[in-house]
Amino acid sequence: AQTVTQSQPEMSVQEAETVTLSCTYDTSESDYYLFWYKQPPSRQMILVIRQEAYKQQNATENRFSVNFQKAAKSFSLKISDSQLGDAAMYFCAYRRLGAMRFGAGTRLTVKP
Amino acid sequence: GAVVSQHPSRVICKSGTSVKIECRSLDFQATTMFWYRQFPKQSLMLMATSNEGSKATYEQGVEKDKFLINHASLTLSTLTVTSAHPEDSSFYICSAGPSGEGETQYFGPGTRLLVL
Repeated sequence: AQTVTQSQPEMSVQEAETVTLSCTYDTSESDYYLFWYKQPPSRQMILVIRQEAYKQQNATENRFSVNFQKAAKSFSLKISDSQLGDAAMYFCAYRRLGAMRFGAGTRLTVKP
Repeated sequence: GAVVSQHPSRVICKSGTSVKIECRSLDFQATTMFWYRQFPKQSLMLMATSNEGSKATYEQGVEKDKFLINHASLTLSTLTVTSAHPEDSSFYICSAGPSGEGETQYFGPGTRLLVL
């Protein structure tokens, strides 16, 4: 079974600074998708970024980028120029057919 | 991105009653939808996979007779919590994704269930 591990229960960053959230996963498949979702206090799950495993180029979405290391099964999220609105729970997720599998989450605090 | 709605957003019921939660894909068709449960400060735990026109597939440990799932159309899946008890109080979230978006799932806003 696929497992997703987020080893940082909480992270803190100063406004305008950069922070990196870690995620590792376990799979025997070669073709799959990885995602980062943000869950603010409203609890609405919001897609931040996604990565196709067959693509070597790291995905980027404005201030959000990933460092995808397929051999190491690592998928970290970098948030640049952090904003107060980035404060939320962040979940790393894996999917290949079937349902998404989520990590335990990382709570990000942004200090003004 | 695609939009998934859920209704109701919040429900309070008495112990022993049944509660129905609806999940709709508003701008795409979904042959498969997923239901998750989330306890405070925890991650999303998959409960079941809802399949249009066929029986749902439940995760191990989820009582299929308690959590009835019906996926009667390509845009609607319902989760009915039967004979609800206080331990069923939780946050329930559904997800679905349009084909052609590479496995991306979009989530409903969730339903907060409180059983008294």
